[in-house]
Amino acid sequence: AQSVTQLDSQVPVFEEAPVELRCNYSSSVSVYLFWYVQYPNQGLQLLLKYLSGSTLVKSINGFEAEFNKSQTSFHLRKPSVHISDTAEYFCAVSDLVSNFGNEKLTFGTGTRLTIIP
Amino acid sequence: EAQVTQNPRYLITVTGKKLTVTCSQNMNHEYMSWYRQDPGLGLRQIYYSMNVEVTDKGDVPEGYKVSRKEKRNFPLILESPSPNQTSLYFCASSSRGRANTEAFFGQGTRLTVV
Repeated sequence: AQSVTQLDSQVPVFEEAPVELRCNYSSSVSVYLFWYVQYPNQGLQLLLKYLSGSTLVKSINGFEAEFNKSQTSFHLRKPSVHISDTAEYFCAVSDLVSNFGNEKLTFGTGTRLTIIP
Repeated sequence: EAQVTQNPRYLITVTGKKLTVTCSQNMNHEYMSWYRQDPGLGLRQIYYSMNVEVTDKGDVPEGYKVSRKEKRNFPLILESPSPNQTSLYFCASSSRGRANTEAFFGQGTRLTVV
């Protein structure tokens, strides 16, 4: 079984400051890793994903995450945040071997990022 | 435009009154699933479907039913809703074999059971 831990339920950050949202996972098999973003009153959108290859992945809006296998982490970072980054962020994992065909995502509990002007 | 459409977006109902939340996708995806989102618990899978007429339970299936008569539609049925089913519900779809890499989510349905 897999699990995802997001220790910070809320993170307030001043505008233009850097931010790191932490994500740790546990799994007995190799996994794919994701960050999803949920803007107020909207559905989930894929922000970035790690499937294989380079352990540093980047999104088009300045976020990046680094897969660290030894620490089983996939922390999300941005060097300078904007008001528009206010949202809830979910880390998720999925194993490479489908569980009897259920290719599901296992989500963390989410981190609410609030940008302070 | 590729999308997953859920209806209704908001619903208030009374305990015991049967309801259906619809989900439709226009991407010809084989795999569809339902999640519920609750504060402090993240998203949990309710049911999933690998193709037409193939459905199975996820992590929290109690109190829910689904059907998959057509590839594009995957309705969620609450036969006798209870207050503990008050939640935000999301439908998701993806291609088989890629469900764990490219999932598309609907806008969500906020359900309140009183």
